[in-house]
Amino acid sequence: NAGVTQTPKFRVLKTGQSMTLLCAQDMNHEYMYWYRQDPGMGLRLIHYSVGEGTTAKGEVPDGYNVSRLKKQNFLLGLESAAPSQTSVYFCASSADNYGYTFGSGTRLTVV
Amino acid sequence: AQSVTQPDIHITVSEGASLELRCNYSYGATPYLFWYVQSPGQGLQLLLKYFSGDTLVQGIKGFEAEFKRSQSSFNLRKPSVHWSDAAEYFCAVGANGNKLVFGAGTILRVKS
Repeated sequence: NAGVTQTPKFRVLKTGQSMTLLCAQDMNHEYMYWYRQDPGMGLRLIHYSVGEGTTAKGEVPDGYNVSRLKKQNFLLGLESAAPSQTSVYFCASSADNYGYTFGSGTRLTVV
Repeated sequence: AQSVTQPDIHITVSEGASLELRCNYSYGATPYLFWYVQSPGQGLQLLLKYFSGDTLVQGIKGFEAEFKRSQSSFNLRKPSVHWSDAAEYFCAVGANGNKLVFGAGTILRVKS
């Protein structure tokens, strides 16, 4: 019963480096989301997907790209990391009734 | 646009005391409302949700919340807090496209 799996769990990047965060779900959910969590700001939606092959911008999309080539996977990319992208990143998936399942998070530090 | 306000950043209660965490939302139609809990270093766990019907909603771990349309509120309550309830609590409202909009969170500290 894996649910939503995020890799990696921790990462330290230098400014300007790129990386990809992987989110995988095994519940056959249509919807997938990437949020970032910062102290005092709650969770803010970066990008989301309503089905395989689709992506859409959320509240804070700048500096990030996403892809959903397979229904079970949702990738979040940072093309040129900046210190402002230091955060905890959460992936979630859901069916069509707001029944979110969250991953355990990726803690990213950009130095 | 939908928004959620949690007025209290931190709350400290004594173990065994009652708890109320406040949540106010902004949404034009009947909202879908949620409370999540996050223990340190963990993901988010759903405590309860309100879609329609009875305005008093029961959740897991002894929590309940009451939807008050006239006050645009969805406050979370627990009659007797346990030390294990120390965590951060997030209120959220369902937005178009099956998205959730979260409040900034309230950190609950429990003193013995």
